[in-house]
Amino acid sequence: ETGVTQSPTHLIKTRGQQVTLRCSSQSGHNTVSWYQQALGQGPQFIFQYYREEENGRGNFPPRFSGLQFPNYSSELNVNALELDDSALYLCASSLGQGRDNEQFFGPGTRLTVL
Amino acid sequence: GESVGLHLPTLSVQEGDNSIINCAYSNSASDYFIWYKQESGKGPQFIIDIRSNMDKRQGQRVTVLLNKTVKHLSLQIAATQPGDSAVYFCAENIIRRRYIFGTGTRLKVLA
Repeated sequence: ETGVTQSPTHLIKTRGQQVTLRCSSQSGHNTVSWYQQALGQGPQFIFQYYREEENGRGNFPPRFSGLQFPNYSSELNVNALELDDSALYLCASSLGQGRDNEQFFGPGTRLTVL
Repeated sequence: GESVGLHLPTLSVQEGDNSIINCAYSNSASDYFIWYKQESGKGPQFIIDIRSNMDKRQGQRVTVLLNKTVKHLSLQIAATQPGDSAVYFCAENIIRRRYIFGTGTRLKVLA
């Protein structure tokens, strides 16, 4: 069974650019959540996708958007990058949207905005 | 506002000793909590969870204690091993789809 994978591993962008991060969920998992983890901080919930629909959102501006595909893989898009967007972006997949379903995290994508 | 925080940013423990990592939460409506372990270069890994209708739950070498009166959560690791070195987060679930993570505590195991 393949775990959660994310690509790319590292990424460097400049302020104002746009970025797309990708996540492949664990086999059979239909729910994907995205988190932003600033250095030395805990992960902050961005949003969750369940069966291709956004299913909950944290306190992030609309320039953070996402998609989930029929195979349940997911993308996180960030427009108009700001310096404070530099962080580790984590995705987590689970069998369902309920909290009884354990989230399995990927290794993350380290985004640096210059 | 709602928050989940930790009292100690770094905890150093001798190998073989027991570790206790603490967490305070501010939202009395929170009814589900998880402890995660995050090793360098990896995503958080589930350790143990507890519901608010419980005050103690045990796993393999780990115990979580919940004190709702003072809104306090702790993770106890028995016989701490070098492989336990990591950052530990508590996470609070208020709304079904949303978890709020604390800042984290780094556990260093001394040989």
